Amino acid sequence: DIQMTQSPSSLSASVGDRVTITCRASQSISSYLNWYQQKPGKAPKLLIYAASSLQSGVPSRFSGSGSGTDFTLTISSLQPEDFATYYCQQSYSTPPAFGQGTKLEIK
Amino acid sequence: EVQLVESGGGLVQPGGSLRLSCAASGFTFSSYEMNWVRQAPGKGLEWVSYISSSGSTIYYADSVKGRFTISRDNAKNSLYLQMNSLRAEDTAVYYCARIEFWSGYHAFDYWGQGTLVTVSS
Repeated sequence: DIQMTQSPSSLSASVGDRVTITCRASQSISSYLNWYQQKPGKAPKLLIYAASSLQSGVPSRFSGSGSGTDFTLTISSLQPEDFATYYCQQSYSTPPAFGQGTKLEIK
Repeated sequence: EVQLVESGGGLVQPGGSLRLSCAASGFTFSSYEMNWVRQAPGKGLEWVSYISSSGSTIYYADSVKGRFTISRDNAKNSLYLQMNSLRAEDTAVYYCARIEFWSGYHAFDYWGQGTLVTVSS
């Protein structure tokens, strides 16, 4: 099974900051990488699919990059509504594993 | 508007059974592959099971194989998860999630609000 590892596990930042979250796969997954945002008590929301494609309706301050084993999610200018937990997920093979999550908190 | 609404969660004793349902609306349910994903309290997301649009192909996580059964009724626009031999470690919020495809890539594009399953004596 493919393992997904995110870093950091938690991150403190301020409104307006540029933030980058990293996800690493235990083997190459090409561009089969998705990113989700989850707020407390809510279901996850798809942000990015295929490593860099923005899901419909997601603000353009979110972007994704990478291929193979190393991927990043970047938020160009943090907004108050962006403070949440972010998960990466590989869709290359079954089981579709998630990273452990990165909690983005207000500094 | 796409909607997925889970139901059937609750408190159950270890070794007991529970059947979760997910009612779908706002899209052609019979055309979409579906999944169950769970989240233990304060923990991350864990994929549980997959079912193809026709129901002919099914996969399970090793942690639930032999105990859980996924099924669907396309005439009723509904997804199910029969959970038997429940353990304390099955305690979680259970989400149903739809798969969408884009040029060979796929992701969970819509999720239900979740239903809480608590396994405790």
